Amino acid sequence: KAGVTQTPRYLIKTRGQQVTLSCSPISGHRSVSWYQQTPGQGLQFLFEYFSETQRNKGNFPGRFSGRQFSNSRSEMNVSTLELGDSALYLCASSITRAEYNEQFFGPGTRLTVL
Amino acid sequence: AQTVTQSQPEMSVQEAETVTLSCTYDTSESDYYLFWYKQPPSRQMILVIRQEAYKQQNATENRFSVNFQKAAKSFSLKISDSQLGDAAMYFCAYRPVYNNNDMRFGAGTRLTVKP
Repeated sequence: KAGVTQTPRYLIKTRGQQVTLSCSPISGHRSVSWYQQTPGQGLQFLFEYFSETQRNKGNFPGRFSGRQFSNSRSEMNVSTLELGDSALYLCASSITRAEYNEQFFGPGTRLTVL
Repeated sequence: AQTVTQSQPEMSVQEAETVTLSCTYDTSESDYYLFWYKQPPSRQMILVIRQEAYKQQNATENRFSVNFQKAAKSFSLKISDSQLGDAAMYFCAYRPVYNNNDMRFGAGTRLTVKP
């Protein structure tokens, strides 16, 4: 069974631009969570989607948004990019709600904002 | 707010020896899950072990075991018979079952395994 895939793996943008990251969960998994990883702040929870609905949201500004499609694939969007948005963005999938089940992480998308 | 603290930024262990990574957390919740994740240099996070707070018995997965002390809010990871492949960043994580149940991670401990 294929693991969690994320595209693109690397991305370079400039301040003010917007970006969309994609995550394909493991087949059969219905929950997708997104995390931001930076050297300064560590790993921080962004949001979780389950059955196309956002179930939980971390403490991030409204510039960070996401959605989930009927096939469980998820996208994360960041608008009006800031330098501080440079980070590794990880997505993780689980069979049902993430708190009850093991999450499987993808390799991440490395976003650099210049 | 729930916070997770890993007081050891770096740890080193000799191959075949045992090492313990520390983690403490702060919460007012009674039902929650605790996790240890491993992130090798290739970056993909892998679940090492999971503990449900309502279980008194410490979780064990092969060479990995935890010492869960609920009253002390402590959740340490013991790696026995350390192998070179154990070298990675280790993250302790907490997630409440209810009430704003977002996952909280510690800052991580970088484990080096010496041959």
